[in-house]
Amino acid sequence: AQSVTQLDSQVPVFEEAPVELRCNYSSSVSVYLFWYVQYPNQGLQLLLKYLSGSTLVESINGFEAEFNKSQTSFHLRKPSVHISDTAEYFCAVISMDSSYKLIFGSGTRLLVRP
Amino acid sequence: EPEVTQTPSHQVTQMGQEVILRCVPISNHLYFYWYRQILGQKVEFLVSFYNNEISEKSEIFDDQFSVERPDGSNFTLKIRSTKLEDSAMYFCASRDSLGGYGYTFGSGTRLTVV
Repeated sequence: AQSVTQLDSQVPVFEEAPVELRCNYSSSVSVYLFWYVQYPNQGLQLLLKYLSGSTLVESINGFEAEFNKSQTSFHLRKPSVHISDTAEYFCAVISMDSSYKLIFGSGTRLLVRP
Repeated sequence: EPEVTQTPSHQVTQMGQEVILRCVPISNHLYFYWYRQILGQKVEFLVSFYNNEISEKSEIFDDQFSVERPDGSNFTLKIRSTKLEDSAMYFCASRDSLGGYGYTFGSGTRLTVV
């Protein structure tokens, strides 16, 4: 069975600083990888995804994530964060077995301070 | 942009009562899901639904839970006899059968059992 590990429960960072949110996965088959963002009191929004092709994927608001198969990682990065990036970020995986079930990590709260 | 709609946004119910959470998935999507997020915890898979039947369910989805697609648009989650520990945010999601595998989530229903 697949699993997703987000080791950092909270990441505090100052505005305009770079940030990396870590995500590692475990699966016996190939996977699709996702990052979802949850702003306070809101639902889950897809931030970016890796399905195939280039291992570096980008979102429209400056986030990027790189799929590293050898390290089974899909870390999320942003070179300069804004106050508005404060949210909960969830890494998620779909294993290419029969279920195509989306499994979430425990989430990382990004707290951007002025 | 198409979206998944959930109603109500917040429901308070007494322990032992039945509740029905409603969802309208994206119209051309074929796969439907319910997830649960207990306050401060990870997003957990409950059940997947395809072709008018449950395709997979988690150990959380016991006999008190049921899902139904009563017509061509609605997808409901029923909890027959609510318990205090059922208090959570419940998210509905849908996806199509084509490539992408990006689930679209609703904004959630916050269920409070008192």
